[in-house]
Amino acid sequence: GAVVSQHPSWVICKSGTSVKIECRSLDFQATTMFWYRQFPKQSLMLMATSNEGSKATYEQGVEKDKFLINHASLTLSTLTVTSAHPEDSSFYICSARGGGPQHFGDGTRLSIL
Amino acid sequence: GDSVTQMEGPVTLSEEAFLTINCTYTATGYPSLFWYVQYPGEGLQLLLKATKADDKGSNKGFEATYRKETTSFHLEKGSVQVSDSAVYFCALSDAKAAGNKLTFGGGTRVLVKP
Repeated sequence: GAVVSQHPSWVICKSGTSVKIECRSLDFQATTMFWYRQFPKQSLMLMATSNEGSKATYEQGVEKDKFLINHASLTLSTLTVTSAHPEDSSFYICSARGGGPQHFGDGTRLSIL
Repeated sequence: GDSVTQMEGPVTLSEEAFLTINCTYTATGYPSLFWYVQYPGEGLQLLLKATKADDKGSNKGFEATYRKETTSFHLEKGSVQVSDSAVYFCALSDAKAAGNKLTFGGGTRVLVKP
C-alpha cells in the first residue's frame, strides 16, 4: 500500500517551454503533498507544501510564479515549471501523506536544452 | 531551526561487512526520526522510523535507535549486501511544524563491493 506515482519519469524539452509533472497517490487520499528538488549528489530541497483545495505554501527563495502547484483533488497534485530554462534542469520528487509518514514518488528528471 | 547532520560519504564496504551511518539532529520540538533509502534514478523509500526516545526502528536488517540524550539516530546493519548500495538519508519531522515537513540530512552514499 501507500503507492505514489509520478509522471513523467524523464522529460527533455527546449528552453522557454512549460513542463507539467503529475503526482498521484494510487491507494490512499493525500491530504498533503510536497514537492522537492534534488541536485546531483545532494539532498532534497523542499520547494512547497500543498493541501488539497488550497494554495500551496512555498519555501523561501522558491518562485511561486515559476513553479505552479495545483492540488485539486485528494489524489493528484501537479507541478508546472513555466518558461523553463537550463538552470531549472534537476530531479524533481513529490511525496504525499494522508496522516502517516510521507510516501515518495520515483521522481522526474527534467532536462532543459 | 531544525537540522540534520549525517556523515559524508561515500562509504565503501565489502559484502558482509558491518555498516554504520551516523546521524545527529537539532530540533526545537520533539521530532519523529526517519531513515530513507534512494536507489539510483528513483525516489525515496522509507526504510525505518522512530517516534519517541529509546524507540528502535528496524527493517530489512537495518536498525536505528532514537537517542534523545545524544540527539542521534545512527543507522546500522550487521552484514551488508551488494543490493544495499544506495544513498541513505536521515530525516526528522516535527509534528508542530506546519504540514509535518521533513528536514533531511545531506545523504550518505554507500557502495558495497562483492
